[in-house]
Amino acid sequence: QSVLTQPPSASGTPGQRVTISCSGSRSNIGSNYVYWYQQFPGTAPKLLIYRNNQRPSGVPDRFSGSKSGTSASLAISGLRSEDEADYYCAAWDDSLRGVLFGEGSSLTVL
Amino acid sequence: QVQLVQSGAEVKKPGASLEVSCKTSGYIFTDCFLHWVRQAPGQGLEWLGVINPTVGRTSYAQKFQGRVTMTRDTSTSTVYMELDNLRSEDTATYYCVRAGDAETAMEFDFWGQGTQVTVSS
Repeated sequence: QSVLTQPPSASGTPGQRVTISCSGSRSNIGSNYVYWYQQFPGTAPKLLIYRNNQRPSGVPDRFSGSKSGTSASLAISGLRSEDEADYYCAAWDDSLRGVLFGEGSSLTVL
Repeated sequence: QVQLVQSGAEVKKPGASLEVSCKTSGYIFTDCFLHWVRQAPGQGLEWLGVINPTVGRTSYAQKFQGRVTMTRDTSTSTVYMELDNLRSEDTATYYCVRAGDAETAMEFDFWGQGTQVTVSS
């Protein structure tokens, strides 16, 4: 597996809670931390979640991460229009000895 | 403040070589690993490799083995990424990225502004 599996899209209305999944295997998510990045068009990605569930300073607590086995999830509660962006998960892969990214999920706020 | 400033946009012909530089500042250069990540137009993120600035040791994605070389200059706190034998599929924005977590060499906390590379005959 050369990529982590994410749904291509997700959507929700303002105020709702949405989750984005990230599926991997024992050699990546199953053995290592998961990271989440947010990217707006034309800009570099931004670190959103590190070490599965930790938020960097400045990231609202509406964003949360979790991991179970070989899967991880990003949850966004109290959805806002400014959350509309692409979201990527990432993890180190012990077998490939490299970083794997998810395919990316485009979040739409309806 | 931490900054990663990359070299400017490039247009290359197929078969040519590319070198992108990334000058860092605002932190101790040897404290953090530096990665290179690229993003083709409309596509997702793809990892190319990582360099340990302290000793210069590198690890490359299997896909780019033999075609990519990452180096560093500790006197100027700059890392370089060279990609050889370019093809049209290498058209992408290339980012240098700092890994803020020294333990895992992950946690991409600061990103360069990106260098747009176009490969076209």
